[in-house]
Amino acid sequence: LAKTTQPISMDSYEGQEVNITCSHNNIATNDYITWYQQFPSQGPRFIIQGYKTKVTNEVASLFIPADRKSSTLSLPRVSLSDTAVYYCLVGGPQRGYQKVTFGTGTKLQVIP
Amino acid sequence: SQTIHQWPATLVQPVGSPLSLECTVEGTSNPNLYWYRQAAGRGLQLLFYSVGIGQISSEVPQNLSASRPQDRQFILSSKKLLLSDSGFYLCAWSVHGESYNEQFFGPGTRLTVL
Repeated sequence: LAKTTQPISMDSYEGQEVNITCSHNNIATNDYITWYQQFPSQGPRFIIQGYKTKVTNEVASLFIPADRKSSTLSLPRVSLSDTAVYYCLVGGPQRGYQKVTFGTGTKLQVIP
Repeated sequence: SQTIHQWPATLVQPVGSPLSLECTVEGTSNPNLYWYRQAAGRGLQLLFYSVGIGQISSEVPQNLSASRPQDRQFILSSKKLLLSDSGFYLCAWSVHGESYNEQFFGPGTRLTVL
């Protein structure tokens, strides 16, 4: 299994940048790193995916260092609506579907 | 565009009763399909996945079963519910192919077993 480790929870004030780091020490050469967001009583929603260096979209940025043993999801200027659970997943061609697991995620609470 | 439907939205069932949850996907062909369960305050647990009609893989031994009678239909069943089956059940689909492809989730079914 591509085990990932994330902080259980984080608090942030509105308007701040939030960085959530995920550790994945046993990431394989062909693995991708994917982040999802989940609001209460809803299914997770894809945020961003990357393989190395930096990926940016309209919602977030994903920073992946050269050794790829960790990754950081960056949410710019969070608002109350960003309060959610964020999951880091690792998976690739060598891994079966059962090995791409969601874990318990990081619960982000944005404070007014 | 693709859409995924799940029903019912909520369900309250007595222990020992049967269960049938249905999930359908529109706007795509030959999707990978998934059933997840989320207990209160916990992460998602993959229960079943399917890469094609009649092809079901189970992740966790349990009293649940899944079937895929049609390309875009995925059914989760139980003959006798247990208290521990309570939770939020989510169906998801992804483009057929790699395990890390983006998964698209349905609205979920909240099941309470009494």
